[in-house]
Amino acid sequence: DIQMTQSPSSMSASLGDRVTITCRASQDIGNYLSWFQQKPGKSPRRMIYGATNLAAGVPSRFSGSRSGSDYSLTISSLESEDMAIYYCLQSIQYPFTFGSGTKLEIK
Amino acid sequence: EVQLVESGGGLVQPGRSLKLSCVASGFTFSNYGMNWIRQAPGKGLEWVAYISSGSSYIYYAETVKGRFTISRDNAKNTLYLQMTSLRSEDTALYYCARHEVYYGSLAYWGQGTLVTVSS
Repeated sequence: DIQMTQSPSSMSASLGDRVTITCRASQDIGNYLSWFQQKPGKSPRRMIYGATNLAAGVPSRFSGSRSGSDYSLTISSLESEDMAIYYCLQSIQYPFTFGSGTKLEIK
Repeated sequence: EVQLVESGGGLVQPGRSLKLSCVASGFTFSNYGMNWIRQAPGKGLEWVAYISSGSSYIYYAETVKGRFTISRDNAKNTLYLQMTSLRSEDTALYYCARHEVYYGSLAYWGQGTLVTVSS
């Protein structure tokens, strides 16, 4: 199975900060990487797909990038509504595997 | 508007069975593969099972293989998850999610149905 190692597990940042969350894939997954945001009591919301594509309706301060087997989600200027848990997902091979999540808190 | 509505969750004793449903609307259900994903209380997301649009391809997580069965009825726009030999570790919120053509991503999720396995 493909392992997705996500870091950090939690972080705290100030409004307006640039925030980056990373997932590393244990095998080649190409661009089959998505990012999800989950707020308390809500279903996950897709933010990025295909490693770099912004999902419909997602603010442009969110972006995705890839460097080799490392995938990153970046929030260019943190807003209060971005407080959530973020997960990556590889979808190139079954079983699909999620990262362990990053809890993002606002300082 | 795409909608996925899960139902069928509840409290069940260990070793018993339960069948979840996910009713789809707002899109041509028969054109899309579907997935079940679960989330134990306070934990992360775990992919559970996938079924292709015509039910030709089915995959399971090792943790549920041999105990859970995914199926669908395209005439009823409904996805199912038959769960047998339930264990306490199956306690979770179960989501259905649509499998997208582009990169196999999961663009649409239901609100989830809670399964609690306890005596």
